[in-house]
Amino acid sequence: DAGVIQSPRHEVTEMGQEVTLRCKPISGHDYLFWYRQTMMRGLELLIYFNNNVPIDDSGMPEDRFSAKMPNASFSTLKIQPSEPRDSAVYFCASSTRESQPQHFGDGTRLSIL
Amino acid sequence: GENVEQHPSTLSVQEGDSAVIKCTYSDSASNYFPWYKQELGKRPQLIIDIRSNVGEKKDQRIAVTLNKTAKHFSLHITETQPEDSAVYFCAASGGGDDKIIFGKGTRLHILP
Repeated sequence: DAGVIQSPRHEVTEMGQEVTLRCKPISGHDYLFWYRQTMMRGLELLIYFNNNVPIDDSGMPEDRFSAKMPNASFSTLKIQPSEPRDSAVYFCASSTRESQPQHFGDGTRLSIL
Repeated sequence: GENVEQHPSTLSVQEGDSAVIKCTYSDSASNYFPWYKQELGKRPQLIIDIRSNVGEKKDQRIAVTLNKTAKHFSLHITETQPEDSAVYFCAASGGGDDKIIFGKGTRLHILP
């Protein structure tokens, strides 16, 4: 059974460029979560979806960040324009319903130069 | 909203000894408390979870206790081994929305 799949695993780009991170949740999971992890701020929830609908985006740091889930098997997190302070590991996770374990992808390590 | 505090931030334990990590939460409606282990460069992975209708749960060398009255829960690792070295996160959810709130993490070092 495939887990949560994220791509790319690593991304290095120059500031000002658009960055798109991708996530495929576990089949049958109705919830999808995007997290950002840094040493200073730990694991932060950015946004989560239920049945492809964004439920809470209060963690999205700025308008430069946007996320979509066009169907049950795909989601994107976009940063435009990117800045060096966006450098972090971005995790996607999915779960079946509330109060159930979240399964994390392997993450995307993003470096903005 | 929910707030989860985790202590200590760093813990060093002699191999074979026990390790205890403590967390407190603020929302009395929270009813689900998972613990995740994250090895260096890897993704967080669930190691054990507990629900509010249970006071304690064990899985081999790992146990979690929950005190709903005091709103705190703890992770206990007995007979620690080198492979237990990692960052451990506690979390809480179920207090009215579907998101899980994570603690800041505890870096556990197992000393030889």
